Amino acid sequence: ETGVTQSPTHLIKTRGQQVTLRCSSQSGHNTVSWYQQALGQGPQFIFQYYREEENGRGNFPPRFSGLQFPNYSSELNVNALELDDSALYLCASSLWGGAYEQYFGPGTRLTVT
Amino acid sequence: GNSVTQMEGPVTLSEEAFLTINCTYTATGYPSLFWYVQYPGEGLQLLLKATKADDKGSNKGFEATYRKETTSFHLEKGSVQVSDSAVYFCALSSSGGSNYKLTFGKGTLLTVNP
Repeated sequence: ETGVTQSPTHLIKTRGQQVTLRCSSQSGHNTVSWYQQALGQGPQFIFQYYREEENGRGNFPPRFSGLQFPNYSSELNVNALELDDSALYLCASSLWGGAYEQYFGPGTRLTVT
Repeated sequence: GNSVTQMEGPVTLSEEAFLTINCTYTATGYPSLFWYVQYPGEGLQLLLKATKADDKGSNKGFEATYRKETTSFHLEKGSVQVSDSAVYFCALSSSGGSNYKLTFGKGTLLTVNP
């Protein structure tokens, strides 16, 4: 059983640029969630995708957007990068439902200079 | 809205000491509760979970009991090892609505010395 994978591992971007992060969900999982983890903090929910549609969003502006594909993999796009976007971005996959645990990938470390 | 409050760290223990990390929550409905662990430079790993009141989750010697009356889910281990050094996150999953996002506490850094 393949776990959740994310790419790239690390990324350095300049303020104002755009970035795309990718996530492959664990086999059999139909739901993908994205989280932002600033240094020394707990992960913050960005949004969740189920059946290729956004299903709930946290307190993040519209320049954070995403996609889910028919194979349940997902992308997170961030436009007009700001210095505060520097963080570890975590993808988690699960089955749909609150009782099901979410399995996390290793994350993408984004640095905005 | 939902929230999780967990014990401020860092926590430093000697090997074989008893560990407790407190976690309390605020949520509507009947959330599921989780403990995740994050080792340096890595993503989060699920440690244990409980989905209803009085459930006890356990894994690798760690335990936590879902206490609805005190809205708590404290993590315990009877004898910690150096390899348990990591950041521990308490989290809850909403019981319904439009999504099942996880709400996390701020994390507790545990250091175990030999």
